Amino acid sequence: GQSLEQPSEVTAVEGAIVQINCTYQTSGFYGLSWYQQHDGGAPTFLSYNALDGLEETGRFSSFLSRSDSYGYLLLQELQMKDSASYFCAVLMDSNYQLIWGAGTKLIIKP
Amino acid sequence: NAGVTQTPKFRVLKTGQSMTLLCAQDMNHEYMYWYRQDPGMGLRLIHYSVGEGTTAKGEVPDGYNVSRLKKQNFLLGLESAAPSQTSVYFCASSYSPGLAYNEQFFGPGTRLTVL
Repeated sequence: GQSLEQPSEVTAVEGAIVQINCTYQTSGFYGLSWYQQHDGGAPTFLSYNALDGLEETGRFSSFLSRSDSYGYLLLQELQMKDSASYFCAVLMDSNYQLIWGAGTKLIIKP
Repeated sequence: NAGVTQTPKFRVLKTGQSMTLLCAQDMNHEYMYWYRQDPGMGLRLIHYSVGEGTTAKGEVPDGYNVSRLKKQNFLLGLESAAPSQTSVYFCASSYSPGLAYNEQFFGPGTRLTVL
């Protein structure tokens, strides 16, 4: 079966940099996605890595290494509004379904 | 554009009752999905559709049925609700997943409690 592992909670300070890791055990996927979800809200798309390497979008960057079965989301210049849960998900090549990790709750302190 | 909308936003059911959740999207997306999210967990796919008139099972399809009679609408039905179906239900839509890009757009969710 497929599984994705993320830390359940990460704490960081406003203005700092934080990295949220995602390790996976799955075969045959097209890419790794990251979504943000605020409490009581819906998931919103952040990034998608189809290839190994770093993808940068403003303050957020995402990385994928297929040889290490590992990816991460990097958030820079943290703001209080970045307090949310962050989910990694893989797009399976067998059926185009997204398989999701359990999410990482990011707590930002002033 | 409204994006993805869901009705109702909240619902309380008694065990054994039935209901239908409605999802609508105005982005002309081919793919539509129904997920459930339980506390402390990621989203789990219930059913999905790759186009009008088509449906397919996801990870956790038991106890649910779906229909996609129109491209813009995707309905999720619970024929006989059980307490285990208490959850937050999200609908999503997307263009056909591509190798280089994949983004799903989510509705605001329906919070369902089954007593």
